Amino acid sequence: QKEVEQNSGPLSVPEGAIASLNCTYSDRGSQSFFWYRQYSGKSPELIMSIYSNGDKEDGRFTAQLNKASQYVSLLIRDSQPSDSATYLCAVRGTGGFKTIFGAGTRLFVKA
Amino acid sequence: EAQVTQNPRYLITVTGKKLTVTCSQNMNHEYMSWYRQDPGLGLRQIYYSMNVEVTDKGDVPEGYKVSRKEKRNFPLILESPSPNQTSLYFCASSRKGESEAFFGQGTRLTVV
Repeated sequence: QKEVEQNSGPLSVPEGAIASLNCTYSDRGSQSFFWYRQYSGKSPELIMSIYSNGDKEDGRFTAQLNKASQYVSLLIRDSQPSDSATYLCAVRGTGGFKTIFGAGTRLFVKA
Repeated sequence: EAQVTQNPRYLITVTGKKLTVTCSQNMNHEYMSWYRQDPGLGLRQIYYSMNVEVTDKGDVPEGYKVSRKEKRNFPLILESPSPNQTSLYFCASSRKGESEAFFGQGTRLTVV
């Protein structure tokens, strides 16, 4: 069974700090990696996509991918209370159509 | 406005009574998929479709059917619902090869 693992949290950080969210995956053939944010009772929203090793930055968000270690992370700089949500890591393998989600990490940003 | 529309938003039904949850997108996306979300288990893919008349099983297809007769619509059918199908369901769509960027509002299904 191909898996995507995340720490369920909650991860609690003070406002203005860097929040670091981590994800590991089991399928070495995975090609595409995504981070979603989901507020309670709402639909997931796509935050970042990353396809190659290294860092990808978009505003306050940075995704990091290390395929050798089968590890992908999301850094949120200058965390705000509005960032409090569940963050879902998702992975697509070769063939590119079947998406596997992690169970999500709950983030709480304290004002 | 670009959107994925699911109906109904809430549904309570009895075991064995066939039901359909509709999903429609207005972005001409090739790719559509269905997920269920349960506490502690995250989103699990039920079925996906790469284009009209092309569908394939995700990780948890048992007890579900889908069809893709038109590009915009991707209904989820439960022929004989059971209580273990009580869940929150999401439909999603995207262009071919891209991540699922558009999710519907969700359908909360309870089977008693």
